[in-house]
Amino acid sequence: KQEVTQIPAALSVPEGENLVLNCSFTDSAIYNLQWFRQDPGKGLTSLLLIQSSQREQTSGRLNASLDKSSGRSTLYIAASQPGDSATYLCAVSTSYDKVIFGPGTSLSVIP
Amino acid sequence: DTGVSQNPRHKITKRGQNVTFRCDPISEHNRLYWYRQTLGQGPEFLTYFQNEAQLEKSRLLSDRFSAERPKGSFSTLEIQRTEQGDSAMYLCASSLRDGDTEAFFGQGTRLTVV
Repeated sequence: KQEVTQIPAALSVPEGENLVLNCSFTDSAIYNLQWFRQDPGKGLTSLLLIQSSQREQTSGRLNASLDKSSGRSTLYIAASQPGDSATYLCAVSTSYDKVIFGPGTSLSVIP
Repeated sequence: DTGVSQNPRHKITKRGQNVTFRCDPISEHNRLYWYRQTLGQGPEFLTYFQNEAQLEKSRLLSDRFSAERPKGSFSTLEIQRTEQGDSAMYLCASSLRDGDTEAFFGQGTRLTVV
């Protein structure tokens, strides 16, 4: 059974700092991995999608990496801003064709 | 708006009442997913459809829950005899075809059972 974990559960950083969010999954047989952002009380916004054959994806200040063999992904946020404050969710698409989520990392960027 | 649309956005109901939520996926997407999210947790998978066929149901989906996608387009999620433990955000997502494509989520329906 696929399980997804995220570390840390919460993170508070001063504005401008670079930061890394971690995601681990137990079954390496994934189709892809997505990072989502969720603002309080809102739905999910897709940030980056990494296919199982890829090692990383970049979008603006965001860079996500994927190491299938070790069951890990990281989301790197450069030069953090207060507007980055949100919950970041990692999710894997499994061989059973559904998306399994981690519990999320709550990020707070302090001005 | 060509994104995933969910209605209503908020629903407050009395315990024991039935509720129905609707999800309109992105038009060319044939995969549709329902998730439930409680406060402080990641979304939990409930069920998904490939066109009109319901392919998998989580054991979280008790017999009080039913989902349909009659014409392979919009989907409904019905909860009968609601309980306070059903209070959660219900999220719908769609993707183009199979598991290697990006999933897009709606804004969710927040259910409060009082």
